[in-house]
Amino acid sequence: EAQVTQNPRYLITVTGKKLTVTCSQNMNHEYMSWYRQDPGLGLRQIYYSMNVEVTDKGDVPEGYKVSRKEKRNFPLILESPSPNQTSLYFCASFDKSNTEAFFGQGTRLTVV
Amino acid sequence: GENVEQHPSTLSVQEGDSAVIKCTYSDSASNYFPWYKQELGKRPQLIIDIRSNVGEKKDQRIAVTLNKTAKHFSLHITETQPEDSAVYFCAASRAGGTSYGKLTFGQGTILTVHP
Repeated sequence: EAQVTQNPRYLITVTGKKLTVTCSQNMNHEYMSWYRQDPGLGLRQIYYSMNVEVTDKGDVPEGYKVSRKEKRNFPLILESPSPNQTSLYFCASFDKSNTEAFFGQGTRLTVV
Repeated sequence: GENVEQHPSTLSVQEGDSAVIKCTYSDSASNYFPWYKQELGKRPQLIIDIRSNVGEKKDQRIAVTLNKTAKHFSLHITETQPEDSAVYFCAASRAGGTSYGKLTFGQGTILTVHP
């Protein structure tokens, strides 16, 4: 089954404690992206990747890092999380021919 | 960069009525305009999309219209049903080239359909 898998689904952490949210897709898509969803602000792009070792900043990259060492994986790293990073996070991969975004299940992160 | 504005932020209708959600975009080079539906606690999923070479597209009870000159596009849902209740997002992007995959979303519309 074609899918995008994120882990964990829920995470509560403390300020400053490094964390990683994993994202994996099995569709051989080149393009992947991370979004955060906040009420009234929609989905805002954090980082995106056009291929292995090719990443670029989205609209709200501050406080986040990404890596793309393999085509299927695109982890999101918060080196020193802060409360303003409390949000719902979605990973997505893109079918180049159709331009459709396939989203993961989402990760609800709370930073206290 | 691209900026997408979506209205209204909330929309309440009676079952069987029509619902219209409108979006405007700023980048005249944007050529791909999808709409996503997000049910409570779930991931966004594509429901319909339109490209800039088309003015209107229909799929059963949903339709999308695009006005390139005015830079706005709209989602129309007819004969609404309670299961249409969800958050709807519009988006815009330049499909192809180095900007591929950079979807810019609107703020979302919470649609509630009352039985």
